[in-house]
Amino acid sequence: RKEVEQDPGPFNVPEGATVAFNCTYSNSASQSFFWYRQDCRKEPKLLMSVYSSGNEDGRFTAQLNRASQYISLLIRDSKLSDSATYLCVVPSGAGSYQLTFGKGTKLSVIP
Amino acid sequence: NAGVTQTPKFQVLKTGQSMTLQCAQDMNHNSMYWYRQDPGMGLRLIYYSASEGTTDKGEVPNGYNVSRLNKREFSLRLESAAPSQTSVYFCASSEAPTSGGAADTQYFGPGTRLTVL
Repeated sequence: RKEVEQDPGPFNVPEGATVAFNCTYSNSASQSFFWYRQDCRKEPKLLMSVYSSGNEDGRFTAQLNRASQYISLLIRDSKLSDSATYLCVVPSGAGSYQLTFGKGTKLSVIP
Repeated sequence: NAGVTQTPKFQVLKTGQSMTLQCAQDMNHNSMYWYRQDPGMGLRLIYYSASEGTTDKGEVPNGYNVSRLNKREFSLRLESAAPSQTSVYFCASSEAPTSGGAADTQYFGPGTRLTVL
């Protein structure tokens, strides 16, 4: 299994739709996980951290399944401003200084 | 707070030229990182500095050197640029991992777009 693998995308969804992204990881010792968003030609920015079974922030919900080694991100009531690439991020390496970034899933929300 | 700043924003080099990318953070973070991002490859770690005075190789260190000048600044040097080093370079910083080993959030600078001809 690759270290971090994401849905290839792209996802094209209408405004108001619910969309879910999945991510699988291979490092079973990982304790914290992240979803970042990256707008075109911009730097990645933290969207959510996931330290236990899940996390919710407004329209965004992240869930963690340690047994199956996957993380999901659910976006409800999609907005045009949600259009971006979503990166699944998993710690790797000694002492968790190193993060492994998935290749990202591109989301386009259509009017 | 400016967060993480990087200079320059854009650079064009000829093969064999050298240059240094500068990065500074004002969040009093212990750890700093250099990544490159290429189409279809995702972000890949070049080097990192867990704390002032230490540096370690990441996934793709060949052709690069780094210097942790002080707690705020972490530079990346290309001694002899090659076309394969054409990429977008991001610097990031974070606190150290927690005592339980959980990684901390990394905050990114705006990036440097480098083209090597």
